[in-house]
Amino acid sequence: GIQVEQSPPDLILQEGANSTLRCNFSDSVNNLQWFHQNPWGQLINLFYIPSGTKQNGRLSATTVATERYSLLYISSSQTTDSGVYFCAVPTYYGNNRLAFGKGNQVVVIP
Amino acid sequence: NAGVTQTPKFQVLKTGQSMTLQCAQDMNHEYMSWYRQDPGMGLRLIHYSVGAGITDQGEVPNGYNVSRSTTEDFPLRLLSAAPSQTSVYFCASSYGPDHYEQYFGPGTRLTVT
Repeated sequence: GIQVEQSPPDLILQEGANSTLRCNFSDSVNNLQWFHQNPWGQLINLFYIPSGTKQNGRLSATTVATERYSLLYISSSQTTDSGVYFCAVPTYYGNNRLAFGKGNQVVVIP
Repeated sequence: NAGVTQTPKFQVLKTGQSMTLQCAQDMNHEYMSWYRQDPGMGLRLIHYSVGAGITDQGEVPNGYNVSRSTTEDFPLRLLSAAPSQTSVYFCASSYGPDHYEQYFGPGTRLTVT
């Protein structure tokens, strides 16, 4: 099945710093989503980005489908950005299952 | 829109008890799914539905039942809870399969003692 790898697994940021998270996937996809799991455990949709670049406030994402990777940029990080960031792609098994990476654990310190 | 809602947020059960986790969405989505999230295992698909009256098994269906009598609701039933079912449960919905965006509920944290 499709494999999803995220890097780096852990990241500690000083408030105000910028960072880039990477998601590699092993097969062609027509859907890629980034989620933020906050410290309360909620999974928040950040981006639906099968290709191209999107921006939402201080966050932006780029997917290069032909090279099978996606990047999530966090600029001017804030403590509320702490949590785990997941990327997920469809598995095309006919069950609508998303395959998730292991996540990027981000801690932003004041 | 409320999006995807789940109740309860937290639940503690004793081994052998039964309960139903509720999931509802108000986006008129045909596809709904249940996942469980465990440390080191990521999110795994339990059951899914492609429309009212149609359900099927995912990766880890044992110990769980589902039904889908309406487009809006997709409850997950634990018939006889076991400690191995201690987990965080997420319900998700989407308009269609695969290339459609999925939306997740806030989760239910279940502990079975």
